[in-house]
Amino acid sequence: EPEVTQTPSHQVTQMGQEVILRCVPISNHLYFYWYRQILGQKVEFLVSFYNNEISEKSEIFDDQFSVERPDGSNFTLKIRSTKLEDSAMYFCASSEMSVTNGNTIYFGEGSWLTVV
Amino acid sequence: SQQGEEDPQALSIQEGENATMNCSYKTSINNLQWYRQNSGRGLVHLILIRSNEREKHSGRLRVTLDTSKKSSSLLITASRAADTASYFCATDSRQTGANNLFFGTGTRLTVIP
Repeated sequence: EPEVTQTPSHQVTQMGQEVILRCVPISNHLYFYWYRQILGQKVEFLVSFYNNEISEKSEIFDDQFSVERPDGSNFTLKIRSTKLEDSAMYFCASSEMSVTNGNTIYFGEGSWLTVV
Repeated sequence: SQQGEEDPQALSIQEGENATMNCSYKTSINNLQWYRQNSGRGLVHLILIRSNEREKHSGRLRVTLDTSKKSSSLLITASRAADTASYFCATDSRQTGANNLFFGTGTRLTVIP
């Protein structure tokens, strides 16, 4: 069964460093997402991406964050200058069509980011 | 905010018993989805129910939706130890039309062998 794959599974970085989290969405999907989950808390929406541009973003997704689809398969999340509070599990996800039309969002296994 | 709340926050049952988890949300929706998350792992999609549906089944799962009360329930019948996980409901928002899901706080289910 097709799945969303993410790398790395775990990354430790020093505060202030740049981090890039990588994702390969399911191949025929058109919508891509990043969510995060701080340890013990709820899953929070960061950003959605469609047709090579951001379609929605949350308040969390400030200027320190950016997303990119550099080629036909990868979808990346960059955190420019990490802060301690960026420590979380970051989930990439994708869907074939829009959620509002009843499409399921499929999630990857996540990338644990620890900022020290 | 559309984000929902599940209750109970934690539920502990014996293997073979049924587990019922509830979810409430705040604004009108097009659909509601339930996900499962094993500790430290990704979110696995379980079932989707549309706003014009009242009940849906998938294997040992039964989901109900009451849009007048803005609530949903997930029933797992004949639970197994392997069902131990956190369960989240997630909704879109018809009000905003935003293409993303809003997750609830989750119910931590423990099934005791």
